[in-house]
Amino acid sequence: IAGITQAPTSQILAAGRRMTLRCTQDMRHNAMYWYRQDLGLGLRLIHYSNTAGTTGKGEVPDGYSVSRANTDDFPLTLASAVPSQTSVYFCASSAKTGAGELFFGEGSRLTVL
Amino acid sequence: QKEVEQDPGPLSVPEGAIVSLNCTYSNSAFQYFMWYRQYSRKGPELLMYTYSSGNKEDGRFTAQVDKSSKYISLFIRDSQPSDSATYLCAMSAGGSNYKLTFGKGTLLTVNP
Repeated sequence: IAGITQAPTSQILAAGRRMTLRCTQDMRHNAMYWYRQDLGLGLRLIHYSNTAGTTGKGEVPDGYSVSRANTDDFPLTLASAVPSQTSVYFCASSAKTGAGELFFGEGSRLTVL
Repeated sequence: QKEVEQDPGPLSVPEGAIVSLNCTYSNSAFQYFMWYRQYSRKGPELLMYTYSSGNKEDGRFTAQVDKSSKYISLFIRDSQPSDSATYLCAMSAGGSNYKLTFGKGTLLTVNP
C-alpha cells in the first residue's frame, strides 16, 4: 500500500538552483495539495489542485509553481531556490474537494544553502 | 487574531493520564473539524473527523466541538507512550475552494 510517494526524502541545494519535488498518489484522488511545515509556523498551504488540469494558489505560493497533467502526479518546482525555502514539504491528497480527509506523504526535507 | 490558535506545549504526562488538547478558532464558517497525529519525521495522519458540533468517540480518543464557543478539544484516555506525537487540529468551511486550516500543533510526550 503506497498511498502518497514523495521524492526526494531529503535534499541539500545551493541557492539559485532549480528543484522539483515529486509527488505521486495511487488512490485516484481528485484533489492534491502541497504544504510546507516550519517550526513555530505549522503547516501552510502552498498550492493545490482540485482536479487534473487545474491548480490554485494557497497561503504561501510565491517562489513555487505546480502542474497537474494527470490525476496521479503533482510536482512542486522551486525555480530559483532561496534559503527561506528551507523547510519540510508535504504532499497530500483527498478524495473529495470539499472537506475530505487529507492523506499525507512522508515529507521531503529541503535545505537551501 | 489568528484563524486557528493551538497551544504548542510541550505537554508531558505520565502513562495512564487523561490528556486534553484544545484549539480555538475565529471563522464561524468552519464546519469540518479534524485532529491529525504526526510522529517525528513522519507525515500527519488523520485521527478524528467531526462535522459541525457534538462529540465523537473512537476507542481512547474523544473529539468535542463547541461551535458556539468556537472551541474544539481532543481527549485521550489512558494515555500510552505510543501516543507521544504532535497533535494538529485542522478545520474547514468546506466548499469547492477547499482550504484546510491547521493549528500549529501541540507536542505531547507520555512518559512510561
